[in-house]
Amino acid sequence: DTGVSQDPRHKITKRGQNVTFRCDPISEHNRLYWYRQTLGQGPEFLTYFQNEAQLEKSRLLSDRFSAERPKGSFSTLEIQRTEQGDSAMYLCASSYDRATNEKLFFGSGTQLSVL
Amino acid sequence: GNSVTQMEGPVTLSEEAFLTINCTYTATGYPSLFWYVQYPGEGLQLLLKATKADDKGSNKGFEATYRKETTSFHLEKGSVQVSDSAVYFCALRHSGNTGKLIFGQGTTLQVKP
Repeated sequence: DTGVSQDPRHKITKRGQNVTFRCDPISEHNRLYWYRQTLGQGPEFLTYFQNEAQLEKSRLLSDRFSAERPKGSFSTLEIQRTEQGDSAMYLCASSYDRATNEKLFFGSGTQLSVL
Repeated sequence: GNSVTQMEGPVTLSEEAFLTINCTYTATGYPSLFWYVQYPGEGLQLLLKATKADDKGSNKGFEATYRKETTSFHLEKGSVQVSDSAVYFCALRHSGNTGKLIFGQGTTLQVKP
């Protein structure tokens, strides 16, 4: 069990640029979640996948955001035309839904700074 | 809508002091309640949980009891250690078996030797 890994750990970009983050979940986990956390706040749910299907998206996820999980393994989160308000920590978590009580395992996050 | 409110931090305690971090929630139905902990430089980790009223979750000396009458899930520990210094998040999961959680804003705990 190598845990949930996220790449990169930090990303600095200029306003208007596109950025893409990657999440590698724990290998046997079929569910994958994206959350966003701003300074001094708790994580906010963005979206989740069961295998390759994206089952739910938050209203926080504007049209500039897109997430994929093409083969039901790793996932990418892309932000197009970044804005300063996108600056946040983006967290990925995975779980196995057939466990008696689903437990989330979080990665360490990608810190995005939009200048 | 559903929400979680935690006491504001930082909370600063001396080693071996008693800890309480307050958490209250607003939700319809019967949510499950969680405490997560984030140590410096690490990802969020589940600390404990309770899935129904009057359940007590416990782990690593921490406890929290699901109080439906007061809509609370306060975190307690009888004797804190320096290694407990971290950010603590209270969260709820509305009915349904998914990992879609609603988190409080987090409370920073600093324990001094």
